[in-house]
Amino acid sequence: AQRVTQPEKLLSVFKGAPVELKCNYSYSGSPELFWYVQYSRQRLQLLLRHISRESIKGFTADLNKGETSFHLKKPFAQEEDSAMYYCALSGPPTSESASKIIFGSGTRLSIRP
Amino acid sequence: DAGITQSPRHKVTETGTPVTLRCHQTENHRYMYWYRQDPGHGLRLIHYSYGVKDTDKGEVSDGYSVSRSKTEDFLLTLESATSSQTSVYFCAAQQGLGTDTQYFGPGTRLTVL
Repeated sequence: AQRVTQPEKLLSVFKGAPVELKCNYSYSGSPELFWYVQYSRQRLQLLLRHISRESIKGFTADLNKGETSFHLKKPFAQEEDSAMYYCALSGPPTSESASKIIFGSGTRLSIRP
Repeated sequence: DAGITQSPRHKVTETGTPVTLRCHQTENHRYMYWYRQDPGHGLRLIHYSYGVKDTDKGEVSDGYSVSRSKTEDFLLTLESATSSQTSVYFCAAQQGLGTDTQYFGPGTRLTVL
């Protein structure tokens, strides 16, 4: 079954400390993986996707196929990083399941001053 | 925000009444989605559309129906609302598959008493 697991409901770290939000997935094949973010009173928006290998707002995510993980990391947390973060997956672009995104349950990141 | 609006933004209704939520987009996106967001569950797909009059079920479609008679509008209907359908509903739209970004609406908070 296709599934995304985010084991932490809440993660609280001090400003300047490293951040790692965990994400594990279950998918038979090679999924597309994403991180979405929802800041307070704002819409859900794409933060980054694995296929782009990009770094957005200092965040990176590495796909580990052996561990089926896609953890989100940032070396130095900032107060403006406080938000709800969702890990998500979809099928490969040419597959039928590419049109559906499956989201994890989310992790609320709180950055303490 | 890719021109995605939702109406109404807030609604309180009683058990057993029909409710229709509207999603409108101005960017001619082919794919449109309805999700519900609940604590501990993240976002769960209710229904989605891959073109005018083309729709399919998501993982939590029971009790919901959708219609898409025009590219720009995607309606979600609760035929007979129940308290378990109290939630925040998000609409999303996406131009294509694969590397295209899914854009979200601002959400509708529905309370069923």
